[in-house]
Amino acid sequence: DAGVIQSPRHEVTEMGQEVTLRCKPISGHDYLFWYRQTMMRGLELLIYFNNNVPIDDSGMPEDRFSAKMPNASFSTLKIQPSEPRDSAVYFCASSPPPGQGAAFFGQGTRLTVV
Amino acid sequence: GENVEQHPSTLSVQEGDSAVIKCTYSDSASNYFPWYKQELGKRPQLIIDIRSNVGEKKDQRIAVTLNKTAKHFSLHITETQPEDSAVYFCAPTGGSNYKLTFGKGTLLTVNP
Repeated sequence: DAGVIQSPRHEVTEMGQEVTLRCKPISGHDYLFWYRQTMMRGLELLIYFNNNVPIDDSGMPEDRFSAKMPNASFSTLKIQPSEPRDSAVYFCASSPPPGQGAAFFGQGTRLTVV
Repeated sequence: GENVEQHPSTLSVQEGDSAVIKCTYSDSASNYFPWYKQELGKRPQLIIDIRSNVGEKKDQRIAVTLNKTAKHFSLHITETQPEDSAVYFCAPTGGSNYKLTFGKGTLLTVNP
């Protein structure tokens, strides 16, 4: 397995534009997590899925953020419209049921909104 | 949900010294206790973990100790090297806690 794959690695966009981040989890992992990392806030959990179903989205900062997982091998995080304060590194991670093993992270997407 | 705290938030040591980072948690049902290392510009990666039926685990220069009664576990790094410089995160999970919540991280700097 190639591990968790995220795309794009870098994204620069103008304020107001729609941004879509993509993630392919490790095959067989039932859980998928989206995180945002900044210097000020650290590693924030935005939302997580179990078997493609969103379980907890309480970390999603506002309605501009949405996430989907249409199947076991693909998830997206969308920001519409984007704002400069959304600039951060976004990580996707997948794992077996928490408590049964470690989470594996993708390489992250560095988002810059200008 | 799980409340996770790490101490200290920053730690600076001389090469060859030992470093200890502590993680406290609130959910007594947690049963899996990992530590992740994140080097600058890279993703967090697991370096060591321990389960609730074990008190201590060692892997070369790193070890993790668990005190379930007091609800804390610690990362120990001996004979530190400059390549140990990174941010370290804990993320206790399991039991009733399915939310993978990370501590705020500890920035370890090993000075040559």
